[in-house]
Amino acid sequence: EVQLLDSGGDLVQPGGSLRLSCAASGIAFSSHAMTWVRQAPGKGLEWVSGISGRGDETYYAESVKGRFTISRDNSKNRLYLQMNSLRAEDTAVYYCAKCPGSSSSDPDWYLDLWGRGTLVTVTS
Amino acid sequence: DIVMTQSPDSLAVSLGERATINCKSSQTLFYSPNNKNYLAWFQQKPGHPPKLLIYWASTRESGVPDRFSGSGSGTDFTLTISSLQAEDVAVYYCHHYYSAPHTFGQGTRLEIK
Repeated sequence: EVQLLDSGGDLVQPGGSLRLSCAASGIAFSSHAMTWVRQAPGKGLEWVSGISGRGDETYYAESVKGRFTISRDNSKNRLYLQMNSLRAEDTAVYYCAKCPGSSSSDPDWYLDLWGRGTLVTVTS
Repeated sequence: DIVMTQSPDSLAVSLGERATINCKSSQTLFYSPNNKNYLAWFQQKPGHPPKLLIYWASTRESGVPDRFSGSGSGTDFTLTISSLQAEDVAVYYCHHYYSAPHTFGQGTRLEIK
């Protein structure tokens, strides 16, 4: 079955760290760019970060640049988001999503498959 | 960053009637070398992840009913639901993937009148 299973969300204090994970199945994982999108409670969607299929291109929203790191392990079909220096405003459901394309030279970076999401709550 | 602005923020339409949602980008999403607009539309229902409806501004994703259509080019885009069904009640988002960061519109809440 083609699916993405995101996990790792938790309750964390401000200034803390957390690593999210996304396990892919049923797809040629290394052939696809991947993205993290978040949604604060009752709010809209916010694009957070993207990574190419080979992992050699990474992109970030200004709101997380320097604090979050996206990475992937193609041998394990897994995507990660390392989140450091967490703030209350990072509280959200985090979704991983797959792109049909693989790199900046392959422009299909729309999001055609999504995980169910994992909740990150940053509070003291 | 490219700013995506949707209108209206909310919309109430009678069953069977047409619903139209607009999306405007602060920069062109049209790339002339491949003649494509880097714009997608999503539907999100409560408690669920977003669902891709339209990509390349007007290409319907497999399995999406043909009452959903996308149009527009450059900086102005439209999602149209030709005959509203009860199951179309949701929040709709436009999303560009022209250049990072790939921002979303603020969303349009669609309800039944």
